[in-house]
Amino acid sequence: EAGVTQSPTHLIKTRGQQVTLRCSPISGHTSVYWYQQALGLGLQFLLWYDEGEERNRGNFPPRFSGRQFPNYSSELNVNALELEDSALYLCASSSQGGGIGAEAFFGQGTRLTVV
Amino acid sequence: EDQVTQSPEALRLQEGESSSLNCSYTVSGLRGLFWYRQDPGKGPEFLFTLYSAGEEKEKERLKATLTKKESFLHITAPKPEDSATYLCAVGLHTGGFKTIFGAGTRLFVKA
Repeated sequence: EAGVTQSPTHLIKTRGQQVTLRCSPISGHTSVYWYQQALGLGLQFLLWYDEGEERNRGNFPPRFSGRQFPNYSSELNVNALELEDSALYLCASSSQGGGIGAEAFFGQGTRLTVV
Repeated sequence: EDQVTQSPEALRLQEGESSSLNCSYTVSGLRGLFWYRQDPGKGPEFLFTLYSAGEEKEKERLKATLTKKESFLHITAPKPEDSATYLCAVGLHTGGFKTIFGAGTRLFVKA
C-alpha cells in the first residue's frame, strides 16, 4: 500500500514568488495535515483538512493557504515568499480527524528554499 | 498553556548501551500520545500510540510507556541504525484537531 506522497521533493524559489506543494494521502484517509519544520526547529502545525474542508489552522499568516480535493489530495499554497519560509513542509494523513488520537502518517516532505 | 517537553535534547550512546528518552507534558485532556522517529531530511515515521497511563508498547529494541505526566521511550541495546531524532506528540481533547509536537531528542549511537 502506498504511503503519503508529496511533490516536489525539493524546490528553490525567489523571495516574493508563490509556490504550490502537493500531497496525496494514504488510500482511505480523509484527513490531511500540513506542518512546517524549519531547520533545527520542531514541527509547527499549519493546516488541517478533512472531507474537503479546512477544519483548523495554526498561527501562520493568511499567505499560507490550501485546499483539499474530492479525492482527498491536498495543496498547500504560499504567497509572497519570505526567506524565513525556507523549511521542510510535511504532509500527514490519518483515517480520523478532530484530534481524536488517531495516529498520522507522514510523507517525505518538500524541502523549500527561498533565496 | 499546553506544553510538551522532550529531554535530553541530544543523547550519545555506545552500541549496546541502553537508555531512555523522556517526554513530559502539561496539557488538558490527553487523547493520545504518539512517538515518531525522524531521519535527517525525511518525514517522521510513526512508532507508537499510547492512550492511557500504565500502557506500554514495544517494537524491536524500543519500548514506550506512559504515566499521567510523561512518557518514556526506552531503547535496549541500541545499534548505530537507531540513530535518529525521536519526536513525541500529544493529541488533545478540544473542539477540533490539536496535536502538539515536542522539539525532539537527537540520538546518536556509536559502534
